[in-house]
Amino acid sequence: AQRVTQPEKLLSVFKGAPVELKCNYSYSGSPELFWYVQYSRQRLQLLLRHISRESIKGFTADLNKGETSFHLKKPFAQEEDSAMYYCALSGRRSNDYKLSFGAGTTVTVRA
Amino acid sequence: GAVVSQHPSWVICKSGTSVKIECRSLDFQATTMFWYRQFPKQSLMLMATSNEGSKATYEQGVEKDKFLINHASLTLSTLTVTSAHPEDSSFYICSADGLAEESGNEQFFGPGTRLTVL
Repeated sequence: AQRVTQPEKLLSVFKGAPVELKCNYSYSGSPELFWYVQYSRQRLQLLLRHISRESIKGFTADLNKGETSFHLKKPFAQEEDSAMYYCALSGRRSNDYKLSFGAGTTVTVRA
Repeated sequence: GAVVSQHPSWVICKSGTSVKIECRSLDFQATTMFWYRQFPKQSLMLMATSNEGSKATYEQGVEKDKFLINHASLTLSTLTVTSAHPEDSSFYICSADGLAEESGNEQFFGPGTRLTVL
């Protein structure tokens, strides 16, 4: 079974402060991890995925297999980062391509 | 970029009626589409995986006779909520699997359909 845990339901930070969204997972095979973002009144969209190892909108996430974590970080939060963030997992490499989502973290960046 | 549309964007129906929701991949072909349900301020719960030309695969606890899925072409999947009841009121979201080389294994999401059953 695959499971994604996002322990923080709400996260509030000031503009310019660092922000870290926690994500832990459990999966028996080789997982692929994603962060999806949903801005207010918009559809869900991919923010980044671990295989691409890139920074999107200043966000980075490193897969830590030892700790089974994929935390999302940004050193300086901006007001436009306020959104709902979902960590997701798929076992694509095992041909198990469906996504399992965490509960989501609502981020509010205050001026 | 890959775009997925859903129709209608919202629907209100009476209890006992059936409602059909369409999910279309507009500029790419999707062998696989997924149907999710999202309650207010909660996460997406996968309901079923829709494969073109074959039967859908339903997640545990999802009634296949209640939520009929048809994936008749590589660009269209439909979800029909049969004999809808107020507890079926929810936000239904579809996604399409972008298996094209440039998109890797990314899923592209539709804007969702708000169903309210009176």
